[in-house]
Amino acid sequence: KNEVEQSPQNLTAQEGEFITINCSYSVGISALHWLQQHPGGGIVSLFMLSSGKKKHGRLIATINIQEKHSSLHITASHPRDSAVYICAVRSNTGNQFYFGTGTSLTVIP
Amino acid sequence: DGGITQSPKYLFRKEGQNVTLSCEQNLNHDAMYWYRQDPGQGLRLIYYSQIVNDFQKGDIAEGYSVSREKKESFPLTVTSAQKNPTAFYLCASSIRTGTYNEKLLFGSGTQLSVL
Repeated sequence: KNEVEQSPQNLTAQEGEFITINCSYSVGISALHWLQQHPGGGIVSLFMLSSGKKKHGRLIATINIQEKHSSLHITASHPRDSAVYICAVRSNTGNQFYFGTGTSLTVIP
Repeated sequence: DGGITQSPKYLFRKEGQNVTLSCEQNLNHDAMYWYRQDPGQGLRLIYYSQIVNDFQKGDIAEGYSVSREKKESFPLTVTSAQKNPTAFYLCASSIRTGTYNEKLLFGSGTQLSVL
């Protein structure tokens, strides 16, 4: 059983579309991270959330602690947004992070 | 600018050989981690370290070893006991800046393949 579940697993969108990636988790957490991984590359941290909502450019991340759910939204998607997006949570009972399997996003021009 | 440096980017291992992956950070982060990434799977924790000279096994530590002699360095050795080492290895570091605030950064990764 995975502590972190992401959906969808794969997503293809036309340029300009609004995109939503979902993350559900089953453990108590102190923080949730949204990460971005480009092909062959390392991982970049996009957001860290413990409550509410954060916005950075065209990216918006929200978290609902009671429902154990977070969403990552991309407005006006662009081909350069094509990457794997990974949800990670920091357990509040230890020092571990748990990772989702990622959502592979392809934005077509 | 501070960051995490992993080397080499690509590494090939012969049967029976031990190889060491380097991870260095100049962020003054206390915690460092090694993860293994296989296609279609989430990152799996190999080892982590919260302070110098101390480290804990993760979920898949068998066939791997680490050391933490300096705060900046957390090398991972893939031993000959690891029978399926082909994977992408990621080093990460983190620091808590408040009760509900922290930074998590990753290196650029090492692709290890078996010859």
